[in-house]
Amino acid sequence: EVQLVESGGGLVQPGRSLRVSCVASGFSFDDYAMQWVRQVPGKGLEWVSGIGWNSANIEYADSVKGRFTISRDNAKNSLYLQMNSLRVEDTAFYYCAKDITSGGSGTLDHWGQGTLVTVSS
Amino acid sequence: DIQMTQSPSSPSASVGDRVNITCRASQSVSGYLNWYQQKPGKAPKLLIYTVSTLQSGVPSRFSGRGFGTEFILTISSLHPEDFATYFCQQTYIAPYTFGRGTKLESK
Repeated sequence: EVQLVESGGGLVQPGRSLRVSCVASGFSFDDYAMQWVRQVPGKGLEWVSGIGWNSANIEYADSVKGRFTISRDNAKNSLYLQMNSLRVEDTAFYYCAKDITSGGSGTLDHWGQGTLVTVSS
Repeated sequence: DIQMTQSPSSPSASVGDRVNITCRASQSVSGYLNWYQQKPGKAPKLLIYTVSTLQSGVPSRFSGRGFGTEFILTISSLHPEDFATYFCQQTYIAPYTFGRGTKLESK
């Protein structure tokens, strides 16, 4: 059974940094691209970033480019999102999701339960 | 960025009804259109990808059609567990934008 478990969310002040993590199990992690998607509670979904199986293909939404960095450690079956210069508008649930391809297609067939990041003073 | 517009935004329906949800793209996304279902407090679940391919385990009452800029998700006969929010997503080009969602409510 595929499982994705996020952690690292919490309350952080504007301008500060936070790293959220996702540990994967139940599939060959290094065969698939991974993505981060966020959702303001009660609102819609926003794709944030994606990374290919070997970290060669990396993409970001314009809203986070230059502030967020996605990375992965295939030896640890783990995906990360380093978030710097956080803004109030970054407040959301952050979901880790498995892509259906190795390079990254954006189609997400398994999702974690999400971790809530709240940016507030 | 490609804008995705869903309609209706919050329809009401009854068990057994046939329901259509429309998704329009601001430019052609060819056949790169997915549908997700989300229930309260849960993560989204992939229902249909590349317009009409049913994800494993998804009931056959769900179907999708369309091409280019207009797409439709159909639930042929609504079951109680289908009351949820549905999102379309284009994966033609990053950023992989989603529609704002259609919340299907019980009449």
